[in-house]
Amino acid sequence: AQKITQTQPGMFVQEKEAVTLDCTYDTSDPSYGLFWYKQPSSGEMIFLIYQGSYDQQNATEGRYSLNFQKARKSANLVISASQLGDSAMYFCAMRENSGGSNYKLTFGKGTLLTVNP
Amino acid sequence: DSGVTQTPKHLITATGQRVTLRCSPRSGDLSVYWYQQSLDQGLQFLIQYYNGEERAKGNILERFSAQQFPDLHSELNLSSLELGDSALYFCASSVFPTGNEQYFGPGTRLTVT
Repeated sequence: AQKITQTQPGMFVQEKEAVTLDCTYDTSDPSYGLFWYKQPSSGEMIFLIYQGSYDQQNATEGRYSLNFQKARKSANLVISASQLGDSAMYFCAMRENSGGSNYKLTFGKGTLLTVNP
Repeated sequence: DSGVTQTPKHLITATGQRVTLRCSPRSGDLSVYWYQQSLDQGLQFLIQYYNGEERAKGNILERFSAQQFPDLHSELNLSSLELGDSALYFCASSVFPTGNEQYFGPGTRLTVT
């Protein structure tokens, strides 16, 4: 079974509007972390936001917020006031913490976001 | 700029050859991770080192090997290259064990012809 599922291969949004990118995960580990990364066409991977499984509040970083619903095992990324520069591939990833020192990230297949002017 | 450096940026080589990819982590980061991104497999974890020691292995082929040196830079060695090894190879680093973020380098794009 896939550990990270991103069901939206592509999304379109108008500039200045908000957009939600979906991510569901599967783990039996009580301690884990959820990440979102942005990959523009230039190829680099840019860290956006992190949510720990024990964090009581949803993470926010500027225009990015993570809608964490633990019972539903979802960690959706919300981008407010979209900008043209937000057009990129977005990856959701999970780190399961109970594997000792193994801090590897497991990635979803990504969502390609296009912001229209 | 994440602070993680990778060289070279691009690499074109022939099947059967061997290449070495180099990574320098962010200052202060002791842990280095290698990932492979290809069109068919997506982003996959290959291997992790912490302070010179191998900590975890993922979907790394036997033809691939890595090491982390005393100055904490890491090298990923790919040998007997096949067409299917063409991919973007990322190195990431983190402050282990307390850091939550893994910061990625710009990647090395390997093309095997």
